[in-house]
Amino acid sequence: GENVEQHPSTLSVQEGDSAVIKCTYSDSASNYFPWYKQELGKGPQLIIDIRSNVGEKKDQRIAVTLNKTAKHFSLHITETQPEDSAVYFCAATLGAGGTSYGKLTFGQGTILTVHP
Amino acid sequence: SAVISQKPSRDICQRGTSLTIQCQVDSQVTMMFWYRQQPGQSLTLIATANQGSEATYESGFVIDKFPISRPNLTFSTLTVSNMSPEDSSIYLCSVGGGTSRETQYFGPGTRLLVL
Repeated sequence: GENVEQHPSTLSVQEGDSAVIKCTYSDSASNYFPWYKQELGKGPQLIIDIRSNVGEKKDQRIAVTLNKTAKHFSLHITETQPEDSAVYFCAATLGAGGTSYGKLTFGQGTILTVHP
Repeated sequence: SAVISQKPSRDICQRGTSLTIQCQVDSQVTMMFWYRQQPGQSLTLIATANQGSEATYESGFVIDKFPISRPNLTFSTLTVSNMSPEDSSIYLCSVGGGTSRETQYFGPGTRLLVL
């Protein structure tokens, strides 16, 4: 089955700096890669996603890049703010149409702390 | 995205008892899933809740321990049976299969502590 590795496990930055979280996946058939933000006491919130036919996607201060050849994808947060502090999870799945549809495999999570 | 609610939001239970967690969505959805998040850990898929048929369980999870119901396209329940302290976790439902079929949205979770 799919295996997703996420690094780093913790990340501490100063407000205004950039933060980068990296994930690698094992199954070359995976084609959908979402990122979730989980604040304390809440469920994971989808913040951005990317499909295998796209190399990069941006949404304001966040962006995701995908390298299919190397089987890794990254989350980039620019101009970080204290409210960006949370646990971030990457995930991978085979996507619609396959028998593994909906089976998100998650990375281990990254605790991001943004210091004012 | 769909609005998802879960009941209860948290509970403290005694070992050997069972707890049923409810997941309600404000619109009809094709896919509903149940995940477990152990303390300080990542999310692990327990099962896919199938409307009108038995749930599909992942390796390591069995129906006797985690019976699931899905009577319609907006509601599902997960029961944690014969609980032990190792069952202390956050249980999350998610929904998918909307306009973007792969995209999943999560509920707020149920925080369970078993003593």
